[in-house]
Amino acid sequence: AAGVIQSPRHLIKEKRETATLKCYPIPRHDTVYWYQQGPGQDPQFLISFYEKMQSDKGSIPDRFSAQQFSDYHSELNMSSLELGDSALYFCASRETGRSGNTIYFGEGSWLTVV
Amino acid sequence: AQSVTQLDSHVSVSEGTPVLLRCNYSSSYSPSLFWYVQHPNKGLQLLLKYTSAATLVKGINGFEAEFKKSETSFHLTKPSAHMSDAAEYFCVVSDQEIYNQGGKLIFGQGTELSVKP
Repeated sequence: AAGVIQSPRHLIKEKRETATLKCYPIPRHDTVYWYQQGPGQDPQFLISFYEKMQSDKGSIPDRFSAQQFSDYHSELNMSSLELGDSALYFCASRETGRSGNTIYFGEGSWLTVV
Repeated sequence: AQSVTQLDSHVSVSEGTPVLLRCNYSSSYSPSLFWYVQHPNKGLQLLLKYTSAATLVKGINGFEAEFKKSETSFHLTKPSAHMSDAAEYFCVVSDQEIYNQGGKLIFGQGTELSVKP
């Protein structure tokens, strides 16, 4: 079965650079979530989209932005990167409204800022 | 607001002995609860979920959890630990009724399970 696809899997950037992470949800899933997991931390919710509109916002820095496109894939754009942005970034998706639906996570994108 | 508290940051068991990972939740409505597992340097894998059906939920790899409303608990158990069970386990609650639009997941702090030979 198809899963949530994230790219790139690993990314190394320097301070003050920009990074873009991509997420391809499971087919027919209309909601996408972004989470950030720092070293030794639990995942923290950043932002979510439902039917291409932002549906909820968490602890996402102003330097970060995200959107969901017409094909339901989503991109997380991170600018002016800081060392503290080094983390594992998860994308997750679900088919909202479906009985017993579940949120499925991708393998994550490792971002290292040096 | 919805939240989960994992009562142990680290649990160590011997291979072949039972596993108990404790989780209490707080929710203003009937919650949807999940357990996810994360192996080192890996993504999050769903172990099991509770969405107001049977209170005893069976998951993958022999894990199960029981939803106890009176105790606001959703503890994860396994009768016999295996070395491959060593990982980080997260108890998770949905912040909205699962059938509604949106509804993000709120993670507990995680419990690291170590399995000794």
